[in-house]
Amino acid sequence: ELKVEQNPLFLSMQEGKNYTIYCNYSTTSDRLYWYRQDPGKSLESLFVLLSNGAVKQEGRLMASLDTKARLSTLHITAAVHDLSATYFCASYYGGSQGNLIFGKGTKLSVKP
Amino acid sequence: GAVVSQHPSRVICKSGTSVKIECRSLDFQATTMFWYRQFPKKSLMLMATSNEGSKATYEQGVEKDKFLINHASLTLSTLTVTSAHPEDSSFYICSASAGSNQPQHFGDGTRLSIL
Repeated sequence: ELKVEQNPLFLSMQEGKNYTIYCNYSTTSDRLYWYRQDPGKSLESLFVLLSNGAVKQEGRLMASLDTKARLSTLHITAAVHDLSATYFCASYYGGSQGNLIFGKGTKLSVKP
Repeated sequence: GAVVSQHPSRVICKSGTSVKIECRSLDFQATTMFWYRQFPKKSLMLMATSNEGSKATYEQGVEKDKFLINHASLTLSTLTVTSAHPEDSSFYICSASAGSNQPQHFGDGTRLSIL
């Protein structure tokens, strides 16, 4: 069964702290996506990780991919309130259609 | 680049009516479009995948007669919820891809409320 598991599902942080969201996947894909979703909104693409060892950073967010461990991480550095949102990882499982399978999402709440 | 427009953004209608949602790729040709459904505080659930000019491929448990999908051109796919009932109320999101190795670009979503 193809699965993508995120943890934690809920994360309450104080501003200024660091934390990591984990994404384990069971597909044999080498492509992993991270998205942000604000309440009532659609998905905003954050990162596309295309190969083993890939690391991408944007502001206070850094994503990495370990295809051997089938693990991706999203690291948050010195969190600020504006980062409060739900974060989804999705694994590409290919095929003729190029489908994605999504994790359940991590709801991040950053408190002052 | 890679903009996907979804319309309408919000629909409120009476039970028994049919509702059509449009998904357009504005600046690229979308060979494949995807329709997702999202329940409150849940993840995205893939409903169906459609290729231009072909019948849609529905995921297990999704009623094809209930959720009609048309992908008549490389820039437009539509989802019609037929004879909608309150349990069809949900957030529907489309995405479009230029090919199987290309990323999916998401529309802004449609919040459907059936009274």
